[in-house]
Amino acid sequence: QKEVEQDPGPLSVPEGAIVSLNCTYSNSAFQYFMWYRQYSRKGPELLMYTYSSGNKEDGRFTAQVDKSSKYISLFIRDSQPSDSATYLCAMSAGGGSARQLTFGSGTQLTVLP
Amino acid sequence: KAGVTQTPRYLIKTRGQQVTLSCSPISGHRSVSWYQQTPGQGLQFLFEYFSETQRNKGNFPGRFSGRQFSNSRSEMNVSTLELGDSALYLCASSRRLAGGERSTDTQYFGPGTRLTVL
Repeated sequence: QKEVEQDPGPLSVPEGAIVSLNCTYSNSAFQYFMWYRQYSRKGPELLMYTYSSGNKEDGRFTAQVDKSSKYISLFIRDSQPSDSATYLCAMSAGGGSARQLTFGSGTQLTVLP
Repeated sequence: KAGVTQTPRYLIKTRGQQVTLSCSPISGHRSVSWYQQTPGQGLQFLFEYFSETQRNKGNFPGRFSGRQFSNSRSEMNVSTLELGDSALYLCASSRRLAGGERSTDTQYFGPGTRLTVL
């Protein structure tokens, strides 16, 4: 079983919909939680960064971390066709391993006009 | 501020050859990490360099190696290439502040080098 499981599989939504992306993990040492967006043939782009549990909001994006359930989420409000991309959750432990990211497999999102 | 740059962007090699990829981090960033991305395995951590020293290493064979120079630029080398080494190789940089200031020690990725092994 992978340390980080990302759910759901490929997702297609109409423009303006609220999108919910989720990941679960098994390693209780993880303290740093990130969401990256990756467009085709590009490197991942950091969207949200959260330390430990809690919520963080940035414009149309909200990240939630529930360490007790080992569950993280990314919500996208008022989704736009330009949000169509692959979304990757990533996480790491603290200290010297803070930059050793473990990624989920990614969710491919398509927002239809 | 310029982002992470990687060269070359595309490479085609044959089995048994070796390859060297280059990464220039964001100005002021001292840590460079390397990742391999494949459709089957996703994004996997290779190694991290800081102050010219390897700090962390992922679960890859010894054919994968790297180094970092005094200006923080980094190279990774893959020797005796195998077909399964075909992948997008991504470099990420971070400031890696002493004491690990949580809000700023995040990684920023370059566009990657797409390696095809024939």
